Amino acid sequence: NFMLTQPHSVSESPGKTVTISCTRSSGSIASNYVQWYQQRPGSAPTTVIYEDNQRPSGVPDRFSGSIDSSSNSASLTISGLKTEDEADYYCQSYDSSNVVFGGGTKLTVL
Amino acid sequence: QVQLVQSGAEVKKPGASVKVSCKASGYTFTSYDINWVRQATGQGLEWMGWMNPNSGNTGYAQKFQGRVTMTRNTSISTAYMELSSLRSEDTAVYYCARVPGAIDFDYWGQGTLVTVSS
Repeated sequence: NFMLTQPHSVSESPGKTVTISCTRSSGSIASNYVQWYQQRPGSAPTTVIYEDNQRPSGVPDRFSGSIDSSSNSASLTISGLKTEDEADYYCQSYDSSNVVFGGGTKLTVL
Repeated sequence: QVQLVQSGAEVKKPGASVKVSCKASGYTFTSYDINWVRQATGQGLEWMGWMNPNSGNTGYAQKFQGRVTMTRNTSISTAYMELSSLRSEDTAVYYCARVPGAIDFDYWGQGTLVTVSS
């Protein structure tokens, strides 16, 4: 099994841009799609990025995803930060027999 | 609209079993896998396994092998997750989620809090 490692927390000011990383421990990050979920306190997660860089309908284009094979990592970038973006963010990927979530990153918008 | 509605909170004693239900509506239940994910208070998301509602085929995370059983009743579009030999570390919110193409968890249930306490 592989692991996905995220920073525990990040913080940034409203209007700025923040990037959250997700590093895969073994196997290529490009071999399986990466998804990103937003979870606000007391609520179920919701998808903000699927298939590495696709946004579900209703998710603003301030959210973008990418992968970088050189660092074997995926990234979620949120531009024009709003206070409503404050939440926990989880990356997720899979292999032939398992689904793996990253440990989550708490985003503080202050 | 797609909805997954889960059963209510449960309190169980150590060693007991719990069975959580997940009723689907707004789509063809047998067309998409259902996965189960749990989250202990203040902790991250932990994947437990998947079930294909059409075939009944399942796949479980190694950590839960032998303790978890995922089933379904297609006549009422409902999936079930049963976890046995409960211990205090199993106290968590349990979520079901629809997973098209075995990739993206696109719809989630509201979560079911299972508390294991003597």
